[in-house]
Amino acid sequence: DQQVKQNSPSLSVQEGRISILNCDYTNSMFDYFLWYKKYPAEGPTFLISISSIKDKNEDGRFTVFLNKSAKHLSLHIVPSQPGDSAVYFCAASAVGNQGGKLIFGQGTELSVKP
Amino acid sequence: ETGVTQSPTHLIKTRGQQVTLRCSSQSGHNTVSWYQQALGQGPQFIFQYYREEENGRGNFPPRFSGLQFPNYSSELNVNALELDDSALYLCASSLDPYQPQHFGDGTRLSIL
Repeated sequence: DQQVKQNSPSLSVQEGRISILNCDYTNSMFDYFLWYKKYPAEGPTFLISISSIKDKNEDGRFTVFLNKSAKHLSLHIVPSQPGDSAVYFCAASAVGNQGGKLIFGQGTELSVKP
Repeated sequence: ETGVTQSPTHLIKTRGQQVTLRCSSQSGHNTVSWYQQALGQGPQFIFQYYREEENGRGNFPPRFSGLQFPNYSSELNVNALELDDSALYLCASSLDPYQPQHFGDGTRLSIL
């Protein structure tokens, strides 16, 4: 039972353009969402998070949007840079029920071409 | 500020053996979580420790056990190793169970 899904295994974008990574979830108890970036041979690096009381959170080039009615979140990277090429994971937790247990999607590999 | 460090980086074991993986949490962090990541998949939650007590467990059998020490470092122990235990094991620490988790680079475990 995959509670967090990233349906696009890969995405290719031109440098300077917008990258949009998508994530869907099924558990309505999830109330906190995070995005991580992972380079080969390194652990995931925390990028940005959003609580279910918000629908948008920005940090520099990264913006996360949350649509609770659709159970969908997305990460926008503007402008995309070659150094952004990595695997991106979305993760969710039901903080009220389960503390910090994170449920991860399968990941989307982003390739930003110069 | 030192981040999360894990040891060893790579390990090869045979079926039936036991293994201990270690994790030093980031300074000031009292919560440690362990994840298993199979090839091509996202990390799967094994368990979390908060101030030396288990604070949640995923769908892993009892042969996966853990410990958190007074300095908040942690161990993951796996008994009776099976071929399917081959994976990247990730440790993450956080300021408390409700803050973003920061990951180490993992231990790659191979079972022959």
